[in-house]
Amino acid sequence: VQLVESGGGLVQPGGSLRLSCAASGFTFSTYWMTWVRQAPGKGLEWVANINQDGSDKYYVDSVKGRFTISRDNAENSLYLQMNSLKAEDTAVYYCATYLPGEIDSWGQGTLVTVSS
Amino acid sequence: DVVMTQSPLSLPVTLGQPASISCRSSQSLLYNDGNTYLNWFQQRPGQSPRRLIYKVSNRDSGVPDRFSGSGSGTDFTLKISRVEAEDVGVYYCMQGTQWPLTFGGGTKVEIK
Repeated sequence: VQLVESGGGLVQPGGSLRLSCAASGFTFSTYWMTWVRQAPGKGLEWVANINQDGSDKYYVDSVKGRFTISRDNAENSLYLQMNSLKAEDTAVYYCATYLPGEIDSWGQGTLVTVSS
Repeated sequence: DVVMTQSPLSLPVTLGQPASISCRSSQSLLYNDGNTYLNWFQQRPGQSPRRLIYKVSNRDSGVPDRFSGSGSGTDFTLKISRVEAEDVGVYYCMQGTQWPLTFGGGTKVEIK
C-alpha cells in the first residue's frame, strides 16, 4: 500500500486549497478512505471519510460546509477540497485507508498553512 | 462525541523495562456487531502514524510481540513488555465505534 499526498502549501485566511492523495498497491475502489490532520505539535484529528463509490461521506463538525471529500476510482485518487480556510485548519493532512472502525495505512502527509 | 482520555501524558521508561498506557472512553466501544473498535497507533518522531493494534488486541503484521492490547467496554491498555530505543514516540488510541472517529490526546514515551 502506498499513499502519496500533495497539494499542501501556504494560503491566506478565507482561501481555498485542494489536496490530492495518489493510491497504489491495493484495489483502491474497494476501500473506504479517510483524511486525518495534525496541527503543529498537537494530536491527531479525524477530518472526513468517504465510501467506495463516493455516495456516503462523513465530516467532523468543524469542517462541515467548508471541506468536501471526493474520489476518482479510475485515477486511484482521493481529494479534499478545502474552502473558507481558517488559521485553525493549519496542519499536516494525512490520507489513509479505512476499514469499518479502523484506520489502516497512512500516507506521509502534506502541510497546509493558513496565514496572512 | 466519544471522548478518549489517555494517561499518562508522558512516560519515561528505562530500556528493557515494561510500559503501560491507559485509554478510557466516555461511552462503551462495544458495537452492535459484537466488535469493539479500539485502535492503537505509534508515531515516531518525524514520521506518520502507524497502526499497532486493532479491535483492542489484534496486532498488525510486522508489529513486535512485545506490544499487546487489552481491555473492554470503556477501559483499554497498551503494554510494551520490554521497551526498546525504537519505541520512542507518541502513542494514540482511537475509537471507530461511533461517528465522529475520535483520538486520545497521546502519550509520549521516552527513554530515561
